[in-house]
Amino acid sequence: GAGVSQSPSNKVTEKGKDVELRCDPISGHTALYWYRQSLGQGLEFLIYFQGNSAPDKSGLPSDRFSAERTGGSVSTLTIQRTQQEDSAVYLCASSLGRSSNQPQHFGDGTRLSIL
Amino acid sequence: SQQGEEDPQALSIQEGENATMNCSYKTSINNLQWYRQNSGRGLVHLILIRSNEREKHSGRLRVTLDTSKKSSSLLITASRAADTASYFCATDLYGNNRLAFGKGNQVVVIP
Repeated sequence: GAGVSQSPSNKVTEKGKDVELRCDPISGHTALYWYRQSLGQGLEFLIYFQGNSAPDKSGLPSDRFSAERTGGSVSTLTIQRTQQEDSAVYLCASSLGRSSNQPQHFGDGTRLSIL
Repeated sequence: SQQGEEDPQALSIQEGENATMNCSYKTSINNLQWYRQNSGRGLVHLILIRSNEREKHSGRLRVTLDTSKKSSSLLITASRAADTASYFCATDLYGNNRLAFGKGNQVVVIP
């Protein structure tokens, strides 16, 4: 597609359930990023993938969070045993490379609500 | 101004006026980027200014960077209702495009 695609756009689930969020980056973009946007917290870096290198997981808030990127393209962010504080908008972005001069292209996010 | 711990700012202006917002940061940077976010949407890259640049223009946007003060400003000239959005600055702290975002400036342009 022309841009970064994320699904679902909205997800409501009960506390304790697992959720999977999907990101389809722009074709040819080797770098992929996940951010979390919460009210009053701004955008928080979670994890990033660059080509075949080991991902930078240093932003993941707990071991309930994990992400993978299959075939260097689609990525899924998984949150296990969801908590209410996980409610946020999860944004995915991709860029041509990891160079800091490459702008990031964002999807519209998944709005996650934990009841 | 915005970066990390600072509170987000809100600005309400009339269409046609200029809007200025500021951003400060604490560490040395390779570049500073500005993004726009419309309600319910993702962020859109507006402009990137490198650490060795002092001013950059793109259409109605003008960005300045003062590395001695560790601050940047974004000016939107002749604002339009469509400019209503939140504006974020972002810095690359580690040289790998892992961006640190400020908390944003909300701009409302009244038609």
